[in-house]
Amino acid sequence: QAGLTQPPSVSRDLRQTATLTCTGNSNNVGYQGAVWLQQHQGHPPKLLSYRNNNRPSGISERFSAFRSGNTASLTITGLQSEDEADYYCSAWDSSLRGWVFGGGTRLTVL
Amino acid sequence: QVQLVESGGGVVQPGGSLRLSCAASGFSMSVYGMHWVRQAPGKGLDWVAFIRSDGNYNSYADSVKGRFTVSRDNSRNTLFLQMTSLSGEDTAVYYCASEYGSKEFDYWGQGTQVTVSS
Repeated sequence: QAGLTQPPSVSRDLRQTATLTCTGNSNNVGYQGAVWLQQHQGHPPKLLSYRNNNRPSGISERFSAFRSGNTASLTITGLQSEDEADYYCSAWDSSLRGWVFGGGTRLTVL
Repeated sequence: QVQLVESGGGVVQPGGSLRLSCAASGFSMSVYGMHWVRQAPGKGLDWVAFIRSDGNYNSYADSVKGRFTVSRDNSRNTLFLQMTSLSGEDTAVYYCASEYGSKEFDYWGQGTQVTVSS
C-alpha cells in the first residue's frame, strides 16, 4: 500500500513552534485531507486532528492542521516536553480504496 | 467511558491462523465503522482493514487481502479479525480503532501482540 511521505525526524526547542508535513497525491491527501495522530512510546496512537482540520474535544489548541493541495501539515505551538512523540498522518486513498499512513515523524523537543 | 480491548494475540507458526477480537464498551459500536491497524516492532502504523458500521462493506490492505477477514457482531459490541496464512511479516501489535462519521481513528485499544515464529 503506497504510503504518505513524512520527514523521519524534527527537532525544535522548548516553547518554539514545529510544523510537520505529510505529502501525498490527489487520490489521498488532496482528495479528502488527512488525519493526524500522536503516539508516545509504548502507548496506542491518539487522534489529534481529523478531516477538514477539526480537533477532537480535549485536544489542545496548540495543535492545528492545514492542507494545501496534496500536502497536509500539523503545527504545534508553544512546544512542551510532553509533545515529544511520534506523529503520523493518514488519509483515505480513493484509488487504492483503503487508508494509507505516513511513515511517521519523531518530534524531539530540546 | 469509551474502551476498546483487543484480545486473541499470541505466538503462531508460519502458515498458521489466529482470530483477534476487539470488545467495545462505553458506546454502541453499531454506529461506528471499525479499523484494524498494526505496528511491527520499531516500525510505523500500517492500516490493515476496515468494516462499516452495518457490516455490509469492508476494505483491506493489499498485503492482507485474501488472507484476513474482518467481521463484527454488533449485538455483542465486538469486532473480529480472522488471520490465515500468517508469515513473519505479520508480526506486529494489532490495534482496533473506531470511526464515527468523518472522525477516523477516533478511539483506540491498547493493542494485542501477534508473533509469527517457528
